[in-house]
Amino acid sequence: DTEVTQTPKHLVMGMTNKKSLKCEQHMGHRAMYWYKQKAKKPPELMFVYSYEKLSINESVPSRFSPECPNSSLLNLHLHALQPEDSALYLCASSLGIWATNEKLFFGSGTQLSVL
Amino acid sequence: LAKTTQPISMDSYEGQEVNITCSHNNIATNDYITWYQQFPSQGPRFIIQGYKTKVTNEVASLFIPADRKSSTLSLPRVSLSDTAVYYCLVGEGDTGRRALTFGSGTRLQVQP
Repeated sequence: DTEVTQTPKHLVMGMTNKKSLKCEQHMGHRAMYWYKQKAKKPPELMFVYSYEKLSINESVPSRFSPECPNSSLLNLHLHALQPEDSALYLCASSLGIWATNEKLFFGSGTQLSVL
Repeated sequence: LAKTTQPISMDSYEGQEVNITCSHNNIATNDYITWYQQFPSQGPRFIIQGYKTKVTNEVASLFIPADRKSSTLSLPRVSLSDTAVYYCLVGEGDTGRRALTFGSGTRLQVQP
């Protein structure tokens, strides 16, 4: 299994809602990532987990709350989002974070619309 | 902080060879160069990776000169399905961070 699976594929939420994005991989990877991508822009790194511990937080607003329950799962909890948070949210995984030849494996993303 | 520079866009026709060059003047000694391809509404997909000289796989070739300050992704005989955005990534030098930051990428449009 060489896939990173993200659910849901599409999500529409109001600014007062609470929702969660989910990501799963079964490749034995120990690093997992959240990226945000606006239309016609490159992906922007949000969070990195290594061995289930938060390793990098790119100064992301607290309305985005990541969680890594185990080495195969990564969640992104959303609360009180703004319309400008509408974007494609991408999950990725890699074997680790220390090798200089790490390769990222991406899911297809969740297209989020905040109304 | 290693940074990459690529052409914003390129146009080609089916059957032609396409070469996309990426500049990374401050690449660290032990860093690899990694290229990804991204189609609309999908996550980036790993294409090829190299450290020096030339690497070839079933999809592309990667040429890296001796000074490693640039690299060229070569796509032989492109088809319409190669229309995508191509990103080159390198590590971030002394920070120790690996290749996690995407630059602007090159938008390749293949015409019939």
